[in-house]
Amino acid sequence: NAGVTQTPKFQVLKTGQSMTLQCAQDMNHEYMSWYRQDPGMGLRLIHYSVGAGITDQGEVPNGYNVSRSTTEDFPLRLLSAAPSQTSVYFCASSYRPGTGLASQYFGPGTRLLVL
Amino acid sequence: RKEVEQDPGPFNVPEGATVAFNCTYSNSASQSFFWYRQDCRKEPKLLMSVYSSGNEDGRFTAQLNRASQYISLLIRDSKLSDSATYLCASLGGSTLGRLYFGRGTQLTVWP
Repeated sequence: NAGVTQTPKFQVLKTGQSMTLQCAQDMNHEYMSWYRQDPGMGLRLIHYSVGAGITDQGEVPNGYNVSRSTTEDFPLRLLSAAPSQTSVYFCASSYRPGTGLASQYFGPGTRLLVL
Repeated sequence: RKEVEQDPGPFNVPEGATVAFNCTYSNSASQSFFWYRQDCRKEPKLLMSVYSSGNEDGRFTAQLNRASQYISLLIRDSKLSDSATYLCASLGGSTLGRLYFGRGTQLTVWP
């Protein structure tokens, strides 16, 4: 299994540009989430999904959109990039909480710089 | 108040030392707890789950104290390779499936 994969690894954007960060998992996990990690701020949840067709907002959702059309994929869209969105983005997945297997597996991250 | 609070450190210890990290959580309905390890510029990786009875994995021991709402991680006989940031996490009781992370504790083990 490849686990959780993310593309691209690095990206530089100009203010106002849009882009999609890709995330895929091949473990048949129901639960997927997006975090951003900034120095001194820890991991902050952007959006999450408990299954295909179901998404919800996390702690810092503004400026980001998500959709979950399949179990495997959970793309994160930046609508109009801003310098404040410069960060490292991690995608994670897990089995449904309550199954005893709810620990999350993280992708390798995408480093985004917005100029 | 954050769901999970963690002392950011840094902790600097010599090889062979024993070091302990604590983490407090605010939601008494939290269901499950975890410790993650994160190396510099890498993704967090699950180190161990934390069970009510406490659990041990080699040099690592995790404990949960529900009465005081904290979890702990004890590392015995520290190795240079233990240098990393350690993140605690709780599985939220109010929002199904949401994992709340502490900000991480940085550990440096020196020779």
